Amino acid sequence: QSVLTQPPSVSAAPGQKVTISCSGSNSNIGINYVSWYQQLPGTAPKLLIYDDNKRPSGIPDRFSGSRSGTSATLGITGLQTGDEADYYCGTWDSRLSVPWVFGGGTKLTVL
Amino acid sequence: EVQLVESGGGLVQPGGSRRLSCAASGFTFSTAWMNWVRQAPGKGLEWVGRIKSATDGGTADYAAPVKVRFIISRDDSKKTLYLQMNSLKSEDTAVYYCATGRTRADYWGLGTLVTVSS
Repeated sequence: QSVLTQPPSVSAAPGQKVTISCSGSNSNIGINYVSWYQQLPGTAPKLLIYDDNKRPSGIPDRFSGSRSGTSATLGITGLQTGDEADYYCGTWDSRLSVPWVFGGGTKLTVL
Repeated sequence: EVQLVESGGGLVQPGGSRRLSCAASGFTFSTAWMNWVRQAPGKGLEWVGRIKSATDGGTADYAAPVKVRFIISRDDSKKTLYLQMNSLKSEDTAVYYCATGRTRADYWGLGTLVTVSS
């Protein structure tokens, strides 16, 4: 069972917007930055969002992130079929001896 | 361009050992904190361990399931990260990724599959 909780799946039509939630606690998301990773089918994960809402170079502004309290949210607008992937949130937990913790992942289906 | 290339995966019998390597290029390896993250078939991501840069002490930390059995090391002169895995169990079967970063995984390798089975 993952330290961070994500919905197993979300879906939306092309062109629409979708949000993916990530729930944690006061020892992780409540006090530390959140990052998001995209894993396209059969490939390695890639950093999508860091420090809650910053995008690495090359990541389109259709992707956004936010954090409030002990939860974080990834938003994707203008959905494309190429966005179909697994999305993971991650942060670190000040209480555990594990520097990095991840959510269980959310499978995005673009209908 | 940052590149991380893992190697050394394969089929290993339960109780056996395996050493993975991660060759790095495109960034200053010696100052980077390096991590191993694994993904069991059809499952999510699991942090395995990390090693700090020499200037930050060069020490390694491990997740509870692999502590004592796995050892992370690095050779800055070869820009290579290692994961020595001992006393392997079936639950260690996974794709193993190396990744850079202190508080997040900035770059990931392509991964190498380790299958523990008789």
